[in-house]
Amino acid sequence: EPEVTQTPSHQVTQMGQEVILRCVPISNHLYFYWYRQILGQKVEFLVSFYNNEISEKSEIFDDQFSVERPDGSNFTLKIRSTKLEDSAMYFCASSIPGTKNTGELFFGEGSRLTVL
Amino acid sequence: LAKTTQPISMDSYEGQEVNITCSHNNIATNDYITWYQQFPSQGPRFIIQGYKTKVTNEVASLFIPADRKSSTLSLPRVSLSDTAVYYCLVRSPAGGSSNTGKLIFGQGTTLQVKP
Repeated sequence: EPEVTQTPSHQVTQMGQEVILRCVPISNHLYFYWYRQILGQKVEFLVSFYNNEISEKSEIFDDQFSVERPDGSNFTLKIRSTKLEDSAMYFCASSIPGTKNTGELFFGEGSRLTVL
Repeated sequence: LAKTTQPISMDSYEGQEVNITCSHNNIATNDYITWYQQFPSQGPRFIIQGYKTKVTNEVASLFIPADRKSSTLSLPRVSLSDTAVYYCLVRSPAGGSSNTGKLIFGQGTTLQVKP
């Protein structure tokens, strides 16, 4: 069964450093998403991406965040200058809409980011 | 997106049927009701989705009354491995760049299955 893969599974970084989290969505999917989940809290929407541009973003997704689909397969989330409060599990997801399927979002296993 | 309300937690025993009810009073005409499951330190996983009446798959059943203001996820004969957080979400179908069908998660229902 196709799946969304994410790397790294865990990254530890110092405050102020740049971090890039990588995702390989399912190959024929058209919509891509990043979510985050701070330990013990709910899953929060960050951004959605379609047709090579950001479609929707939340208030959390400020100027410190950016997304890119550099080569047609990878989908990356960059945090320019990490803060302690960026420590969380980051989930990538992808979906393919259509009338013949549920349009469900497929989530990866997540990348745990720890900012010290 | 319509707000959903579901119990924060539920306990059950192995072998029992579990029903988790969710209310979504402000659901829009085009919205679907979808349920996800999340185990600790894993990404959410799709369980089932429906628009009206009843939907059944190999994992669960989803019951939606005619007014669509609530829905009930039914898990038959739960096992210890069904211990997880279950999310009820309302989503509009994706369509173009202005609506990507994103999910907005609430707190979910933490189901604890006991032996």
